[in-house]
Amino acid sequence: DQQVKQNSPSLSVQEGRISILNCDYTNSMFDYFLWYKKYPAEGPTFLISISSIKDKNEDGRFTVFLNKSAKHLSLHIVPSQPGDSAVYFCAASAYSSGSARQLTFGSGTQLTVLP
Amino acid sequence: DGGITQSPKYLFRKEGQNVTLSCEQNLNHDAMYWYRQDPGQGLRLIYYSQIVNDFQKGDIAEGYSVSREKKESFPLTVTSAQKNPTAFYLCASSMGGVSTDTQYFGPGTRLTVL
Repeated sequence: DQQVKQNSPSLSVQEGRISILNCDYTNSMFDYFLWYKKYPAEGPTFLISISSIKDKNEDGRFTVFLNKSAKHLSLHIVPSQPGDSAVYFCAASAYSSGSARQLTFGSGTQLTVLP
Repeated sequence: DGGITQSPKYLFRKEGQNVTLSCEQNLNHDAMYWYRQDPGQGLRLIYYSQIVNDFQKGDIAEGYSVSREKKESFPLTVTSAQKNPTAFYLCASSMGGVSTDTQYFGPGTRLTVL
C-alpha cells in the first residue's frame, strides 16, 4: 500500500523547457512535503519543501505546488538544464507529537534533460 | 564543513557475517535515521533516533540493529538475520521537533553480500 506515488518512472525534457514532476499521496495526515534530487550512488539532496498551509513555494528555478483537495503535488523546474538530469523523489511526513517526523518516499522519477 | 559522513562507501560481506555501517554528523542535529534503497524503489526507513540512547523501529527493522551512544553517531549493524541485505544504505539527520523538519542525507554505503 503505497502512501506516496510517483506514477511516471521517467520523463524527458528539452533543455530550456519546463519539467513537471508529479506526486500523489493518500494519507490525509501528511502535512509537510519535500522533493529530493538524487544522482546514482549518492545520497539524496534536499531541493525544496512545502507545508500544507501553503499551496506554492518557490526557490529559484524550482517551484512546488500543493493541491490538498486532490492530494497532489508537483515540482516545476524552469528552465530545465542538463545538470538537472537525476532521479527526483517526492517525500511526505505527518506531525506526531513527541516524535521525529518519519518520511514516506515515492519510488522516484528519472528526469533526463536533453541538450 | 558541516555535514553527514558515511563509511565505507562500498562494503562486501560474506553470508552469515554481521557488518556495521558508520554514520557521523556534525550538524548538531538531534534526530538521525537509516534508510535502505533497492533498485527502482524509494527509500524505506529502517530505524530512527530522536535523541541519544533512544531509537525506534521503522518499517523494515527486522535483521538490523542500531545504537545511539553519542549525538553525532548512529551506527547500523546488518545482522546475518537480514535475509536480503544487498542494498544501498543511507543515513540522514534532522533537527527534530520542528514542524518543518527537513532531513539531510549522507553519501550512502553500498553493501554487497557475496
